[in-house]
Amino acid sequence: DADVTQTPRNRITKTGKRIMLECSQTKGHDRMYWYRQDPGLGLRLIYYSFDVKDINKGEISDGYSVSRQAQAKFSLSLESAIPNQTALYFCATSDWIASAGEQFFGPGTRLTVL
Amino acid sequence: AQSVTQLGSHVSVSEGALVLLRCNYSSSVPPYLFWYVQYPNQGLQLLLKYTTGATLVKGINGFEAEFKKSETSFHLTKPSAHMSDAAEYFCAPAGGSEKLVFGKGTKLTVNP
Repeated sequence: DADVTQTPRNRITKTGKRIMLECSQTKGHDRMYWYRQDPGLGLRLIYYSFDVKDINKGEISDGYSVSRQAQAKFSLSLESAIPNQTALYFCATSDWIASAGEQFFGPGTRLTVL
Repeated sequence: AQSVTQLGSHVSVSEGALVLLRCNYSSSVPPYLFWYVQYPNQGLQLLLKYTTGATLVKGINGFEAEFKKSETSFHLTKPSAHMSDAAEYFCAPAGGSEKLVFGKGTKLTVNP
C-alpha cells in the first residue's frame, strides 16, 4: 500500500465551487506539505504543517485553506475555485531530521476548474 | 532566502550520450540538496540527495551529482542516457524552516 495517498486523483469542478483535496499518510511523519505544479513553474508551496497545531502559509496561500485533522491527515480546500487554480496538486510528508530533509510525495491530484 | 536556478527547461540527448542537467542555488549553503524525478503522469520520487560528507553523490538509475560549494552548483549527470530516463527533473535545495525550494524543472528527452 502507498505510504502517502491523495483523494481524489482527478477532479473537474466549476468556478465558484468549494472543493477539498485530501491527503493521508502512514509514514508516521509529523511534517506535511501541499504544493501545486504548473507547467514551467515547478512546484510551489501552498501550506505546510509541523503538527496538528502548527500550520504555516507557503509562497502562494491566497485562495486556499488547510486543515490538519490528525497527524496523518492534511486537507487542502479551495473555498471558491477559479480557473487559474487548475493545476496538479501534491501532498508530501517528511520527518525532517531523521530523513535529512527528504520529502515523500503522494501521487497527485489533477484539478480542473472550468 | 534560498533560491534555485535550473538552466534549460528542455534538454534533448541521444540514447547513449552524456546527460548533464544544471542546477545552481543561491549563495547561502543549504544543509541538504536534492534531485527529484517525475516520470510522465506520475508523482515525484527521490533521485539522490546530498547531506554531508562526500561531495559526489550517487543516486538511482546510474545518476550522480556533485556538490560544488565554490560554484554554488549541484549538477546532475549520467554517462549514458537510456530511453527510460525521459522525464522531468527537479533540483531542490533545502530552504529555511524545514522547507524545500524547487527549481522550475528540466524536461529530458532521449532520442533513439
